Amino acid sequence: AQTVTQSQPEMSVQEAETVTLSCTYDTSENNYYLFWYKQPPSRQMILVIRQEAYKQQNATENRFSVNFQKAAKSFSLKISDSQLGDTAMYFCAFMKHGHGNKLVFGAGTILRVKS
Amino acid sequence: ETGVTQTPRHLVMGMTNKKSLKCEQHLGHNAMYWYKQSAKKPLELMFVYNFKEQTENNSVPSRFSPECPNSSHLFLHLHTLQPEDSALYLCASSQPGGGADTQYFGPGTRLTVL
Repeated sequence: AQTVTQSQPEMSVQEAETVTLSCTYDTSENNYYLFWYKQPPSRQMILVIRQEAYKQQNATENRFSVNFQKAAKSFSLKISDSQLGDTAMYFCAFMKHGHGNKLVFGAGTILRVKS
Repeated sequence: ETGVTQTPRHLVMGMTNKKSLKCEQHLGHNAMYWYKQSAKKPLELMFVYNFKEQTENNSVPSRFSPECPNSSHLFLHLHTLQPEDSALYLCASSQPGGGADTQYFGPGTRLTVL
């Protein structure tokens, strides 16, 4: 079974600064996908970024980028130029390759951006 | 309406009540999911439907009964719930194919069982 671990229950960052959220996972699969989701206080879960395990290049979406280390089974999220609207719970999630497969979520990291 | 919608947004029910949660997706997807989000616990998958067929039941108690009449609608029927069932129930949908089905979530229903 796959497991996802987010070791930082809470983090805070000053507006305009950079912050990195950690995620590690355990799997015996070779073909899989990793995701970061954001859940603001309004509770709508929003996809932030996704990474295919077969791609060596780290995914990037505007101010969000990942550091994917397949051998180390590490998948951290870097948020640059943090904004107040980035305040949310961030979930790291794993999915095996295949149709309709379930997401396995980590426990989440609460990120607070301070002005 | 766009994306994934859920109704009601909030629900309070007694242990002997019967109620239903509704999810509707407007994305043309063919897979739908129910997740349970409890305080201080990771999201737990409950059910998966692919093309209206249930493909996963994650050992969910029978007091939760899903129904998927078509690819756009998903229901979760609730009866004789327990206080520990109080949680945020999230619906998601995805489009099978290509090996990685990114799931899109609804806003959730906050359920309180008295």
